Amino acid sequence: DVKVTQSSRYLVKRTGEKVFLECVQDMDHENMFWYRQDPGLGLRLIYFSYDVKMKEKGDIPEGYSVSREKKERFSLILESASTNQTSMYLCASQDFGQGYYEQYFGPGTRLTVT
Amino acid sequence: GIQVEQSPPDLILQEGANSTLRCNFSDSVNNLQWFHQNPWGQLINLFYIPSGTKQNGRLSATTVATERYSLLYISSSQTTDSGVYFCAVGSYGQNFVFGPGTRLSVLP
Repeated sequence: DVKVTQSSRYLVKRTGEKVFLECVQDMDHENMFWYRQDPGLGLRLIYFSYDVKMKEKGDIPEGYSVSREKKERFSLILESASTNQTSMYLCASQDFGQGYYEQYFGPGTRLTVT
Repeated sequence: GIQVEQSPPDLILQEGANSTLRCNFSDSVNNLQWFHQNPWGQLINLFYIPSGTKQNGRLSATTVATERYSLLYISSSQTTDSGVYFCAVGSYGQNFVFGPGTRLSVLP
């Protein structure tokens, strides 16, 4: 079974802090994604990566950066956390090959910025 | 970009009832997944179904790609089926677009 883990289920940070959210997958998937989910706005793509050291902006990259130094690990960084970044953050990895592109999600991190 | 609609937005059922959830999309797609988001926020994969029909226990799904819709059937619903059901679609070279979800409540 594919397993995607996230470093924290719940996180509380103060405005202005640098925040790291980590995601690890164990299935050697090339593609990894970070989404945020907010009531009434659904799931929105922040950043994604198709390979080690590769990153692409999604729909809402402002205020975020990412790092992918190893294939299995994809980190989301909030350089200076703000209250409008309070949200549920979901990481996903994706099987890529043979035309089969199923995404698998981690358990999510509920981040509160005070 | 692709637009995704899901209906109904909310559904309340008695335990044991059957239901059909619908996902409409505005353009041709090569990827389609159904997810269940449980009360703790985890997105659980239900089906990867860009076309055709699949069944898994009490759940089944059908995608008619040429008519741009997919259906998720839940039979003999249980309280553990409660949560939000999302449809996500995508094309080659494009990322997934998620629908707004259907919130299902199954009452004992």
